[in-house]
Amino acid sequence: NAGVTQTPKFQVLKTGQSMTLQCAQDMNHEYMSWYRQDPGMGLRLIHYSVGAGITDQGEVPNGYNVSRSTTEDFPLRLLSAAPSQTSVYFCASRQGGTSHEQYFGPGTRLTVT
Amino acid sequence: AQSVTQLDSQVPVFEEAPVELRCNYSSSVSVYLFWYVQYPNQGLQLLLKYLSGSTLVKGINGFEAEFNKSQTSFHLRKPSVHISDTAEYFCAVTPLMDSSYKLIFGSGTRLLVRP
Repeated sequence: NAGVTQTPKFQVLKTGQSMTLQCAQDMNHEYMSWYRQDPGMGLRLIHYSVGAGITDQGEVPNGYNVSRSTTEDFPLRLLSAAPSQTSVYFCASRQGGTSHEQYFGPGTRLTVT
Repeated sequence: AQSVTQLDSQVPVFEEAPVELRCNYSSSVSVYLFWYVQYPNQGLQLLLKYLSGSTLVKGINGFEAEFNKSQTSFHLRKPSVHISDTAEYFCAVTPLMDSSYKLIFGSGTRLLVRP
């Protein structure tokens, strides 16, 4: 199993540009989520999905959009990038039930100039 | 609402010395507790978790943590650290019965092991 994969690893955007961060998992996990990591702030939840076709907002959803058309994929869209969105983005997945272990991807480092 | 506090942003320690990384949480409901480790330029990996039962939990790489409900703490310990333990460590909680499965993270503690 590849686990949770993310592309790209690095990205530089200009203010106002849009892009999609890709996330895929091959573990047939129901639950997927996106976090952003900023220095001194830990990780904060952006959006999550409890299954195909179901998404909801996390703690910091503004400026981001998600969809979940398949169990495997959970892309994160930046609609109009802003310097405040400079961060490292992590995708995570977990199986439902009592496991409670979330598996994290390697991250995407995004810089918005 | 929940919050997690990791008071130490950085902990320097010599190789083979013991270490304790502190974590305190605040929550109006019961929570599950976790410690994750992040090695440089990598994602997060689960070290250990407390769901129920014995308050002393053992994880990977020789780490253990003790849940103290009265002090709302979940400190991480290792009796003898190695250079390879140099990483950032995150304490996190998730509320029981929360269908979002969200993790609330502390700000992280950077463990720096010196030879």
